[in-house]
Amino acid sequence: DGGITQSPKYLFRKEGQNVTLSCEQNLNHDAMYWYRQDPGQGLRLIYYSQIVNDFQKGDIAEGYSVSREKKESFPLTVTSAQKNPTAFYLCASSPLYITRHSNQPQHFGDGTRLSIL
Amino acid sequence: AQKVTQAQTEISVVEKEDVTLDCVYETRDTTYYLFWYKQPPSGELVFLIRRNSFDEQNEISGRYSWNFQKSTSSFNFTITASQVVDSAVYFCALSVNAGGTSYGKLTFGQGTILTVHP
Repeated sequence: DGGITQSPKYLFRKEGQNVTLSCEQNLNHDAMYWYRQDPGQGLRLIYYSQIVNDFQKGDIAEGYSVSREKKESFPLTVTSAQKNPTAFYLCASSPLYITRHSNQPQHFGDGTRLSIL
Repeated sequence: AQKVTQAQTEISVVEKEDVTLDCVYETRDTTYYLFWYKQPPSGELVFLIRRNSFDEQNEISGRYSWNFQKSTSSFNFTITASQVVDSAVYFCALSVNAGGTSYGKLTFGQGTILTVHP
């Protein structure tokens, strides 16, 4: 089955530690995205990538880093510079273009819940 | 810049009541796409519907219906005879046609938390 796999489902970070969230897709999508969701709030875009080896900052990129070495993979690193990392992180992928015939724009993974120890 | 506003932060209803979730959007682009997603307590986002700006036909799918009105820049979502399983966070989202192509990048509203009580 095609889809997006995020791992781990739960992650705990110690003070001063970098942690990496994994996101893999087998939908052959060109674009991938990382969102952060805080309790009771909407989705805020952290980073997105439309092609391998290229990515752009979203609305809240500070304290995060990404890489896109393969089309299928878009890992997110939460660095120690991110002082408030506790949140739910969602990864998504989409075709580069929306056409009249493509229905669902973005497919989402099941998310990773990150907490501070 | 695009913006999506879901003014209702939380809605609470009793089972079998009808409920409407409001969505107002802003964009200067003439071609755009609107979406609704559902996020159940488990966390994943479930796609519900897509509407193109050039198609104002309303849609009904079972107990769900959507009312798209370009004149008021609104894309409201109604659940008829609500059920406990409808309890979730619902997001409205917008994508625009930029330079002749439409990218999958979405602008989301803040979401509406719907709680349906038995």
